[in-house]
Amino acid sequence: AIQMTQSPSSLSASVGDRVTITCRASQDIKSDLGWYQQRPGKAPKLLIYATSTLQSGVPSRFSGSGSGTDFTLTINSLQPEDFATYYCLHDHEYPLTFGGGTKVEI
Amino acid sequence: EVQVVESGGGLVQPGGSLRLSCVASGFIFSRYWMGWVRQAPGKGLEWVANIKHDGSEKYYVDSVKGRFTISRDNAKNAVFLQMNSLRDEDLGLYYCARVYDGAYYYMDVWGRGTTVTVSS
Repeated sequence: AIQMTQSPSSLSASVGDRVTITCRASQDIKSDLGWYQQRPGKAPKLLIYATSTLQSGVPSRFSGSGSGTDFTLTINSLQPEDFATYYCLHDHEYPLTFGGGTKVEI
Repeated sequence: EVQVVESGGGLVQPGGSLRLSCVASGFIFSRYWMGWVRQAPGKGLEWVANIKHDGSEKYYVDSVKGRFTISRDNAKNAVFLQMNSLRDEDLGLYYCARVYDGAYYYMDVWGRGTTVTVSS
């Protein structure tokens, strides 16, 4: 199974900061990667799919990039509602696997 | 409103069985793959299983193969997860999600989850 290594596992940031989260796949997954946000006590929410396509309704301060094995989620100008845990998910083949998550804290 | 609602969670002893249900509304259910994702207390997300829109293809994470079965009833807009031989490590919050699996893949509609507790 493809392993997804996400880093950092947690980070502290302030409102207005630019935040970068990375996800590394154990093998080439082309552009088959999505990003999900999970606020405490809530269900996950799709942010980005196919590495860089923003889901409808998601603010443009979120962006994704990468290909192959290395991927990045960037949040520009962090907002109070962005403090949450972020997960990458590869969909290159079954079984699908999530990264371990990155908790973005104040 | 597009939504999915899970039910069927509860307390079960190790080795026991449980059947989770997920009822969808607000979209043409028979056109979508559906999936289950779980989350152990305080832990990250783990994909569990997916089923194709017509039920002809099913996929599972290795740790549940042979114990869990995903199925669906398109006439009832429902997807199920039959869980047998439950283990301590199966406890957690189980989410149902709508899956788009076409030119791209994503899980875009999530329920609130149903809790499975495995304990003697």
